[in-house]
Amino acid sequence: GEDVEQSLFLSVREGDSSVINCTYTDSSSTYLYWYKQEPGAGLQLLTYIFSNMDMKQDQRLTVLLNKKDKHLSLRIADTQTGDSAIYFCAVANDNQAGTALIFGKGTTLSVSS
Amino acid sequence: DAGITQSPRHKVTETGTPVTLRCHQTENHRYMYWYRQDPGHGLRLIHYSYGVKDTDKGEVSDGYSVSRSKTEDFLLTLESATSSQTSVYFCAISREGTGGADTQYFGPGTRLTVL
Repeated sequence: GEDVEQSLFLSVREGDSSVINCTYTDSSSTYLYWYKQEPGAGLQLLTYIFSNMDMKQDQRLTVLLNKKDKHLSLRIADTQTGDSAIYFCAVANDNQAGTALIFGKGTTLSVSS
Repeated sequence: DAGITQSPRHKVTETGTPVTLRCHQTENHRYMYWYRQDPGHGLRLIHYSYGVKDTDKGEVSDGYSVSRSKTEDFLLTLESATSSQTSVYFCAISREGTGGADTQYFGPGTRLTVL
């Protein structure tokens, strides 16, 4: 079945850029998603990218997709302490409607001032 | 924010007792999902529903049952709670099923502790 892998931790200083990486095994997902989870809260959709795109930019967020290598990354420019959270990469199996998202284990981003 | 609420938000129970968690949505979305979140495992699907009275199993469905008698409510029941079911439970909804531009929106979670 589908497998999604992420590094578990990332530590950066305020003002630096953060890059969170994700690899996946199934190439059938038409859309790939990034979710953010703050402490004690649910998951919040951060952004998503269509699989025929290489890059999507949304304010401080840049998503890069390398479909050949099945690699997805999320870049956060000018990282702030408020960006400290767990970030989840997720893909969907488009071959079956209603199928759940497959999540990576999450990357904990720690931002120090 | 999507209109999703979960109740209770926190619960402590004893092994062997039945527990029911409720997810309520005001978005009239067709699909609803229950996940559990555990350290080292990320989120894993327990059950999902694709309409009233229509449900299916997910990756970790053993020990859980669900019911959906109304579009807005999706109940998760642990018939006889075990310590391995200590977890944070999230409900999610989506309009047309995941995939395409549709995605899932999550509730705030229920923290369940089974002693």
